[in-house]
Amino acid sequence: AQKVTQAQTEISVVEKEDVTLDCVYETRDTTYYLFWYKQPPSGELVFLIRRNSFDEQNEISGRYSWNFQKSTSSFNFTITASQVVDSAVYFCALSEALEDYKLSFGAGTTVTVRA
Amino acid sequence: DAGVIQSPRHEVTEMGQEVTLRCKPISGHDYLFWYRQTMMRGLELLIYFNNNVPIDDSGMPEDRFSAKMPNASFSTLKIQPSEPRDSAVYFCASTGETPGDEQFFGPGTRLTVL
Repeated sequence: AQKVTQAQTEISVVEKEDVTLDCVYETRDTTYYLFWYKQPPSGELVFLIRRNSFDEQNEISGRYSWNFQKSTSSFNFTITASQVVDSAVYFCALSEALEDYKLSFGAGTTVTVRA
Repeated sequence: DAGVIQSPRHEVTEMGQEVTLRCKPISGHDYLFWYRQTMMRGLELLIYFNNNVPIDDSGMPEDRFSAKMPNASFSTLKIQPSEPRDSAVYFCASTGETPGDEQFFGPGTRLTVL
């Protein structure tokens, strides 16, 4: 069963628009971590954020913000005032204590920001 | 500080040939992971090591795949014999003392098997 679901396959926006990427996860564990990674067209995987299951506080880093809600098993990611350089594939991932913290990735959401 | 280093960056080989991918983790990191990325299956964990010892190789697709970590600064992933369906991008990642920490990925090796 898919542990991480990113229902949006592709999102296309015009520069300066906000874009929100959805991530829904499934786990029986009480101790787990959630991650977002960015994969730009150059292909590398860039770590963006890690959040543990005991910390539901939302986080903002520049134009990026994350909304973690355990009640809905969601960890959504918003890019405010998008820029062309934000064009990439974004992956949500889960690691669980019961699975020895192995990373399970979602299928990814391709974001295209048009000038 | 250097990140995770992988070589080669690109590899083109013919079916049946042996392929060896190499990885140097970040110094001081205890965990090393090998992933494969394809369009069909996305990012899959193949195997991971803790302090040079293989912990979980349940993701290795078949016996043609093998991985070693002879020391803390070097790991190899070998495919013998290679097949066209092995064509993918192979990533190596490392993390520190706690496996739940963020993993830092290398640039990947794009493998094409003709």
